Amino acid sequence: AQSVSQHNHHVILSEAASLELGCNYSYGGTVNLFWYVQYPGQHLQLLLKYFSGDPLVKGIKGFEAEFIKSKFSFNLRKPSVQWSDTAEYFCALVSTGGGNKLTFGTGTQLKVEL
Amino acid sequence: GAGVSQSPSNKVTEKGKDVELRCDPISGHTALYWYRQSLGQGLEFLIYFQGNSAPDKSGLPSDRFSAERTGGSVSTLTIQRTQQEDSAVYLCASSSFRDTQYFGPGTRLTVL
Repeated sequence: AQSVSQHNHHVILSEAASLELGCNYSYGGTVNLFWYVQYPGQHLQLLLKYFSGDPLVKGIKGFEAEFIKSKFSFNLRKPSVQWSDTAEYFCALVSTGGGNKLTFGTGTQLKVEL
Repeated sequence: GAGVSQSPSNKVTEKGKDVELRCDPISGHTALYWYRQSLGQGLEFLIYFQGNSAPDKSGLPSDRFSAERTGGSVSTLTIQRTQQEDSAVYLCASSSFRDTQYFGPGTRLTVL
């Protein structure tokens, strides 16, 4: 069975600081990878996704993530965070052999301080 | 265009009662999913419908949970004889075949 691990449960940063949120997965086959974001009081929204091709993917609001197959990782990065990035971030995967159901990590709560 | 909608947004019920939660997917999406978000368990898959295929029910936690999808569109998740541990936010998502899932706002269920 597949699983997703997010190492940081709570992260506090000052505005303009750089962000990197860790995500590792466990699955022996091909996966599609996602980062979703949940802003306070809002529903889950797609931030970015990796299906195939260039392992460096860019998403909305200046976020990017790099798929490193050898490390089973899909870390999320942003060079300079803003107060409006305060949210909960979820890494998730779909295994291509297991239907299209998402397996989520436990989430990282990011707080950006002014 | 319109996103995934869910109703009700909040539901408070007494232990032992049955509840029905509704999901309207994005028009044209062939796949529909139910997930549950709770403090103790995070985000968990419940059930998945794809076109006319038999649903994948592998995530349903007990036989008190069931779901149907009528006419390939609207779906209803039913929880019978609710228990306090069923309290959670129930999320619906839809997608095109094997594509990105888009989520609705959820239904917050509180079982007293």
